[in-house]
Amino acid sequence: DIVMTQSTVSLSVTPGEPASISCRSSQSLLHSDGHNYLDWYLQKPGQSPRLLIYLGSNRASGVPDRFSGSGSGTDFTLKISRVEAEDVGIYYCMQALQTPVTFGQGTKVDIK
Amino acid sequence: QVQLQESGPGLVKPSQTLSLTCTVSGGSLSSGHYYWTWIRRPAGKGLEWIGRIYTSGSTKYNPSLKSRLSMSVDTSKNQFSLRLNSVTAADTAVYYCARVAYCGGDSCYWFDPWGQGILVTVSS
Repeated sequence: DIVMTQSTVSLSVTPGEPASISCRSSQSLLHSDGHNYLDWYLQKPGQSPRLLIYLGSNRASGVPDRFSGSGSGTDFTLKISRVEAEDVGIYYCMQALQTPVTFGQGTKVDIK
Repeated sequence: QVQLQESGPGLVKPSQTLSLTCTVSGGSLSSGHYYWTWIRRPAGKGLEWIGRIYTSGSTKYNPSLKSRLSMSVDTSKNQFSLRLNSVTAADTAVYYCARVAYCGGDSCYWFDPWGQGILVTVSS
């Protein structure tokens, strides 16, 4: 199985400040089609996970442009340019290059 | 806009079978190239992928659950279902269903949207 590692378990951020969450995979997620099969999800308190970024760097419909994804191969980063109070929750990276699909353990973001 | 809703018993006894259904609304389960998937989140833990199914009935399961798992699809009801046999307390979790944008071979695109989730507790 591909192991997904989010090195930061929790992050406390001041509103208006940037935040960065990293995700590392045990194998390259770069497919022969040129896409990185890495997605980011946010699970807000009491809600189901919501897609933020797909294929490494594409913002999902309705996602504010303060969210961006980058990286390739085995190292990926989700950046929030200016954190807002509504951004609290648990952020997960997910690989779907191979079955079984696997998730990072999550990074919990809260507001200072 | 497509929406998904999980349903089923919230309490299952150990050694029995957990059965859940996901109802798709706002669109046809059999339209397009979508796959359909189940994910769970045990209390205090992260997300675990359970498996996926296509409208043809073709499935891929997580090897860790494969021996106890079966999935099915009912296009007439716009539903897909999950059955997990011989459950234990370790199967207590919030179960989510979601739509998969596309799968080619072993690789799949993103999960969107997700259902609201249903808590299933395994206890006598």
